[in-house]
Amino acid sequence: DAKTTQPPSMDCAEGRAANLPCNHSTISGNEYVYWYRQIHSQGPQYIIHGLKNNETNEMASLIITEDRKSSTLILPHATLRDTAVYYCIVTNDYKLSFGAGTTVTVRA
Amino acid sequence: DAGVIQSPRHEVTEMGQEVTLRCKPISGHDYLFWYRQTMMRGLELLIYFNNNVPIDDSGMPEDRFSAKMPNASFSTLKIQPSEPRDSAVYFCASSYHTGVLRGYTFGSGTRLTVV
Repeated sequence: DAKTTQPPSMDCAEGRAANLPCNHSTISGNEYVYWYRQIHSQGPQYIIHGLKNNETNEMASLIITEDRKSSTLILPHATLRDTAVYYCIVTNDYKLSFGAGTTVTVRA
Repeated sequence: DAGVIQSPRHEVTEMGQEVTLRCKPISGHDYLFWYRQTMMRGLELLIYFNNNVPIDDSGMPEDRFSAKMPNASFSTLKIQPSEPRDSAVYFCASSYHTGVLRGYTFGSGTRLTVV
């Protein structure tokens, strides 16, 4: 699996958009980008995934650059409940390898 | 759907004892995964099944760990004998495949403490 690089932590103001970056410069053509998050003491939660095109669902938007070497997860209106560790994973396999992720703290 | 159900939520056992963790995946999901999470090592994939068959157990730490999936609605992870270093949160997750693996649904985890 290609490796990903995420900032270890970031803060966000409640009600504002949170933009979470992820670098995956060695991604191969058939690898997908997945995003998960883990709220304290809970199991990880699937957010979104994509291959080439930008994707949007009820939780977030995923923007993948044209060269696919990086992506951004956008939480459009962050709430305190969005405070969590966010994981960016790239894979073409049936298994996901979780790195350290980005600890996102949403502040009132 | 009740989601992925794991039991027990908490388990405290003495070193040397056998521990069995249980998981009921979401109905219709054909993939099941067992993960372990510790502060030091983060989330580690232990083993995964497809249609009840173990596909990749390369993450199982040693012979003391074993996992089974006797049918589509039940899986167990057994540690025998348990050791203090096995203390961790164990997560089960399930998913399904439609040309691309869909998002996993994780259970709430079992917090294991071996004393």
